[in-house]
Amino acid sequence: NAGVTQTPKFQVLKTGQSMTLQCAQDMNHNSMYWYRQDPGMGLRLIYYSASEGTTDKGEVPNGYNVSRLNKREFSLRLESAAPSQTSVYFCASILGTVNTEAFFGQGTRLTVV
Amino acid sequence: AQTVTQSQPEMSVQEAETVTLSCTYDTSESDYYLFWYKQPPSRQMILVIRQEAYKQQNATENRFSVNFQKAAKSFSLKISDSQLGDAAMYFCAYRSAWDNYGQNFVFGPGTRLSVLP
Repeated sequence: NAGVTQTPKFQVLKTGQSMTLQCAQDMNHNSMYWYRQDPGMGLRLIYYSASEGTTDKGEVPNGYNVSRLNKREFSLRLESAAPSQTSVYFCASILGTVNTEAFFGQGTRLTVV
Repeated sequence: AQTVTQSQPEMSVQEAETVTLSCTYDTSESDYYLFWYKQPPSRQMILVIRQEAYKQQNATENRFSVNFQKAAKSFSLKISDSQLGDAAMYFCAYRSAWDNYGQNFVFGPGTRLSVLP
């Protein structure tokens, strides 16, 4: 059981370049999320998808776009990368019922130079 | 909005000893869930323990237990018989019972735990 698979694990971008982070889950979860992790700030929600076909902004959405391709896949796109987007990015999924925890991918360390 | 505070950025413990990580949260809700996640150097986020606010009994998972004080809005994690593999960043997290879609899963800033041999 793979759980949440996130690619790539590492990426270096130049300022202004674009890239897409891919995420897929095989647990038949309804809801999926993208977080960024910065030192001393915990995890902050970028975007989420409550169910297939819907997406909504989280706490820090500026500079990002997302696509919920199907129930399994939820991608995060940086259209024009900035140094402020240097961070560790996590994809997560939740079954949907309120008493369940989030399951996380292994994270992507992104450096924008 | 809810907030989660972890006042200890770093802690250390001697192998085989006991350590307690602190977490406080701010909420006006009465129904919610609290979690502790462990993030080892591999970056993988691993659920350690979960507590339902409506349960008075503190949750326990092997060497990990919590001290849940609802009135004080405190949720500390106790690690007994610490092992080298417990070295990690630990995140406290809050989820509202009304959070149908998980968009209000709030994480604290984390506590980095070192285990000394």
